[in-house]
Amino acid sequence: EAGVTQFPSHSVIEKGQTVTLRCDPISGHDNLYWYRRVMGKEIKFLLHFVKESKQDESGMPNNRFLAERTGGTYSTLKVQPAELEDSGVYFCASSPLAGGYNEQFFGPGTRLTVL
Amino acid sequence: SQKIEQNSEALNIQEGKTATLTCNYTNYSPAYLQWYRQDPGRGPVFLLLIRENEKEKRKERLKVTFDTTLKQSLFHITASQPADSATYLCALDVLPPNNRKLIWGLGTSLAVNP
Repeated sequence: EAGVTQFPSHSVIEKGQTVTLRCDPISGHDNLYWYRRVMGKEIKFLLHFVKESKQDESGMPNNRFLAERTGGTYSTLKVQPAELEDSGVYFCASSPLAGGYNEQFFGPGTRLTVL
Repeated sequence: SQKIEQNSEALNIQEGKTATLTCNYTNYSPAYLQWYRQDPGRGPVFLLLIRENEKEKRKERLKVTFDTTLKQSLFHITASQPADSATYLCALDVLPPNNRKLIWGLGTSLAVNP
C-alpha cells in the first residue's frame, strides 16, 4: 500500500512569489492534516480536513495560506505571496476514520525556502 | 502558558542499554499521548499511543508510561540498538473526537553507540 506522498520535496522561491504544495493521502483516509516545522521549533498544526471539509483551520498563520481538498482526495496548500518566515518543512498526514481516533501517517514533507 | 517539554539535550547511550526519554506538559489535559520517531529527511512515524486512563503500554522493546498527575510520559527502549538512533517526538491529543489535532514537543535526539 502506498504511503502519504508530497510534492515537491523541495521548493526554493523568492519572497512575493506563489507556491503550491500537494499532498496525496493514503487511499481511503478521511482525515488529512497539514503541519509545519520551522527550523529550531516544534511541529505546529495548520489545519485538518475530514473528507473535503475543513474541520479545523485554527493553525493557519494568516490569509496568505489557502488549503483545499478536492473531492476528499488529494490536498493542496498554496502560499501567496510567500514571505521569509514561511520557510520550513511542511508535513501532510492522514488517518483513516472520520470521527474516530487513530494514528497519523505522515508524508516525507516539503522543504520550502523563501529567499 | 501551555507547554510540552522533552529532554533538550541529545541522549547518547551504549548499545544494549535502556534509553529513557521524558515528555512533560503543563496546562493541558490530553486524552491521548503519542510517541513518534523521526529520521533525518523523513516524516514522523507513529510508535505508540497511550490513553489518559492507561498507566503503561508496551510494544516489543518499547514501553510508554503516562502519569496524568505528574503530567509526564516516559518512553523506554530496552536492549537498544544503533538502528534506534533517531529523534523521538512526543505529541498530545488535547481535543475531543472529531477534532484530531496533535500538539508536539521539540523532540529528543537519541544516539545508540555500538
